[in-house]
Amino acid sequence: EVQLVQSGAEVKKPGESLKISCKGSGYTFTSNWIGWVRQMPGKGLEWMGIIFPGDSDTRYSPSFQGQVTISADKSISTAFLQWSSLKASDTAMYYCARNVYGDYYFDYWGQGTLVTVSS
Amino acid sequence: SYVLTQPPSVSVSPGQTARITCSGDALPKQYAYWYQQKPGQAPVVLIYKDSERPSGIPERFSGSSSGTTVTLTISGVQAEDEADYYCQSADMSGTYIWVFGGGTKLTVL
Repeated sequence: EVQLVQSGAEVKKPGESLKISCKGSGYTFTSNWIGWVRQMPGKGLEWMGIIFPGDSDTRYSPSFQGQVTISADKSISTAFLQWSSLKASDTAMYYCARNVYGDYYFDYWGQGTLVTVSS
Repeated sequence: SYVLTQPPSVSVSPGQTARITCSGDALPKQYAYWYQQKPGQAPVVLIYKDSERPSGIPERFSGSSSGTTVTLTISGVQAEDEADYYCQSADMSGTYIWVFGGGTKLTVL
């Protein structure tokens, strides 16, 4: 069974750093792109970026380029999303999702990680 | 930039047909995909490649495409279909870009 399990909720202060994770299981982790999607409170889905764990090829939405870093460690089947300096506006639910091989949509999603940034 | 436009809301009575549109200039060249998201849950894919339905998705959900607009049709709407619906596509013409529409809230009256 394919699963993406994300790390738990985080409460941080502005200016702090953060790295959240997404562990894949039940499939060959290096064969599918893994995307990250932001959902701010009461708002829609926003594609942030995507990584191919096989070779760490990474693409970013222009809206998020330079604001976050996406990485992966294929030895532990885990993708990461990190911030070096959080802002209150980073408060959101963050989902990882598996992209279907050979296509351009997400078939399996993590449960989401709620990030709250508040002083 | 690649933009997909959806109506913010659609309302329908139980048993009727709901149609949710999604417009984008690149849609004639790129497939569209549809997701359903219920409160507190992760999105679930309903339609891929404009009109294909994954296994386990009820037949009342269907998709179609015409020019720069794709449409998600829900036939015989049920109360449980009340949710947010998002279209999604991708621009592979340059750098890889995935994009979501703004979402449509379906209200079952």
